[in-house]
Amino acid sequence: AQSVTQLDSQVPVFEEAPVELRCNYSSSVSVYLFWYVQYPNQGLQLLLKYLSGSTLVKGINGFEAEFNKSQTSFHLRKPSVHISDTAEYFCAVSHNSGAGSYQLTFGKGTKLSVIP
Amino acid sequence: NAGVTQTPKFRVLKTGQSMTLLCAQDMNHEYMYWYRQDPGMGLRLIHYSVGEGTTAKGEVPDGYNVSRLKKQNFLLGLESAAPSQTSVYFCASRTGGGTEAFFGQGTRLTVV
Repeated sequence: AQSVTQLDSQVPVFEEAPVELRCNYSSSVSVYLFWYVQYPNQGLQLLLKYLSGSTLVKGINGFEAEFNKSQTSFHLRKPSVHISDTAEYFCAVSHNSGAGSYQLTFGKGTKLSVIP
Repeated sequence: NAGVTQTPKFRVLKTGQSMTLLCAQDMNHEYMYWYRQDPGMGLRLIHYSVGEGTTAKGEVPDGYNVSRLKKQNFLLGLESAAPSQTSVYFCASRTGGGTEAFFGQGTRLTVV
């Protein structure tokens, strides 16, 4: 079974400071990796994804993530956060669960709080 | 462009009652998923479908049933609701394994 571990449940950070949200996954097969953001009382929307190729991927709102296969990690970073980045962030793994069928497994989420 | 639409948005059930949640997508996606979101637990997969007429169990399928009779619709049923099923339910759809999933706005279900 695949699993996703988000190492921090809550991350407080001051406005304009950098932030890193950590994500590790376990998988015995190739995976696709995603980061989603959820604002209060809303659904999830995609920040960025890694499918193949360059290990550094850039997403919306100035976020980027680096895929590290040897450490099975996909950490999310932003060099300078804004108040509007306050939200919950989810790391997700898409993996072949057999016969070409793909599950999409999420971590437990990290709540980012940006302090003015 | 509607995307993924969930019906209803809110519901209160009494223990033992049944109900069906409807998810409709207009993007011709093959894959559809039902998740439940609980505080501190993230999103847990209930059931999913890789195409019309197919369904499969996810991480927490007990107490739920699903059907995908039409490609655009994915129904989640609770035959006998329990307080433990109080949660926010999200539906998602996507084209394939390496593509972005699009989410509905969620259904907040309370079982009393």
